[in-house]
Amino acid sequence: QLQLLESGPGLVKPSETLSLTCTVSGGSISGSNYYWGWIRQPPGKGLEWIGSIYYSGNTYYNPSLKSRVTISVDTSKNQFSLKVKSVTAADTAVYYCATMNVQYCSSTNCYKDFDPWGQGTLVTVSS
Amino acid sequence: DIQMTQSPSSVSASVGDRVTITCQASQGISSWLAWYQQKPGKAPKLLISAASSLQSGVPSRFSGSGSGTDFTLTISSLQPEDFATYYCQQANSFPLTFGGGTKVEIK
Repeated sequence: QLQLLESGPGLVKPSETLSLTCTVSGGSISGSNYYWGWIRQPPGKGLEWIGSIYYSGNTYYNPSLKSRVTISVDTSKNQFSLKVKSVTAADTAVYYCATMNVQYCSSTNCYKDFDPWGQGTLVTVSS
Repeated sequence: DIQMTQSPSSVSASVGDRVTITCQASQGISSWLAWYQQKPGKAPKLLISAASSLQSGVPSRFSGSGSGTDFTLTISSLQPEDFATYYCQQANSFPLTFGGGTKVEIK
C-alpha cells in the first residue's frame, strides 16, 4: 500500500523559496496509473490544488500559482518535490502530497482524484 | 475554471440523524466528482469516487449521488466518528478544484 511523507523546512522567510519533498514508499513512483500531486490548505480554510506530475516529467499546474511553482520528480529516490518562489504570508499553509489516481478516460479527459495523502506539513512564511 | 459550491457550510446534527450535503459545479462534469472527509489535524480521506463509488473500507452509511452539475453526499445515520469536514472535488479537468467544505458538528 502506498504511503507518502512530506519533508522540508517549517519556516520560510518572505520573498524566499519554499521547498518540500514527498517520499513515496510501498510502491514505485513510476507506476503507470499514478500521477503525483501537491495540495495546500491555509489555516482554517479549504483545499487548493497546486499541481501534479507524472513520473515521465509531464506537469500540470494551477494557473493561479503557475508563475511561481515548479514540481519535479526523482525516480531514483522515489520522490517528487515542490518549489514555490517569492513566497508571502499568503503561502502559509499545510502542504499535502498525494497520489493522483487517473482513470475513466474519455476522448478528452481522464478522471482524477487523490488517494492516499501524506500527513501534511505546516509551512509558515514569516521573517 | 470549474467552481464548486458546497452547502451548507456547516450543519449541526445528532448521532443517528440523516445528513445531506450538496455540491454544485459551475459546469457539467458528468459523474466525475470525489468526496473527502477531513478530521482536525489530519489529511483528507477519499470516501467516494466517481460520484457514487464507495471506497474500500468506508461504511455503507455513506452514499453519493448525482451527475452533471448537482451532487449529494448522504450519511444515513450519523455516528460519533463522522463529525468532520467534508469536501467535494471536481475530477474532470485542470485546474482541479474543491468545494469550500461542510463542517458536520455535534448538536
